[in-house]
Amino acid sequence: DAKTTQPNSMESNEEEPVHLPCNHSTISGTDYIHWYRQLPSQGPEYVIHGLTSNVNNRMASLAIAEDRKSSTLILHRATLRDAAVYYCILVNYGGSQGNLIFGKGTKLSVKP
Amino acid sequence: ETGVTQTPRHLVMGMTNKKSLKCEQHLGHNAMYWYKQSAKKPLELMFVYNFKEQTENNSVPSRFSPECPNSSHLFLHLHTLQPEDSALYLCASSQDLLRGGEAFFGQGTRLTVV
Repeated sequence: DAKTTQPNSMESNEEEPVHLPCNHSTISGTDYIHWYRQLPSQGPEYVIHGLTSNVNNRMASLAIAEDRKSSTLILHRATLRDAAVYYCILVNYGGSQGNLIFGKGTKLSVKP
Repeated sequence: ETGVTQTPRHLVMGMTNKKSLKCEQHLGHNAMYWYKQSAKKPLELMFVYNFKEQTENNSVPSRFSPECPNSSHLFLHLHTLQPEDSALYLCASSQDLLRGGEAFFGQGTRLTVV
């Protein structure tokens, strides 16, 4: 699976938007961009994924650069419950296996 | 509640013990995974099963032995573990990651080897 680069940590204030960046300069045309997050003492949970177009769901928005070499996870109004480690992962849908390979992720802190 | 249930949630075992971790999903998924998460380290993929067949073994020591009797159940049999095997063991399942699907994770089993 192709590699991604994320900042180690970010801080946000409660009720403000948060933009979590991810670089994936070696992304291939058949790689999906997945985002998961892991709250303290829990297993990871799915947030959102996309291929080429920007995506929105009830949890977040995913903005994908036109060249697909970077993406940004957007939390529109951060809450204390959003404090977690956020992982940006590429999954190759053209391969024989679609495994999730986790990196270090970005630890998001939310201040009240 | 993710639909993936792991038992037990906590386990303390001696180095000479034999124990098993259990994972169960009734989401109709075909793929199941074991991950290990040590303190301050990224999640490490250990094993992958697709349609009950093991398709990935990431150089995991033989003291960890997976078993997938059907698509809904996954076990991790443990024997003669070392203290450095203490970690959070996470199970996940997915329908089709290859088509952009999502994976669902259990809450994990916190294992302590003494």
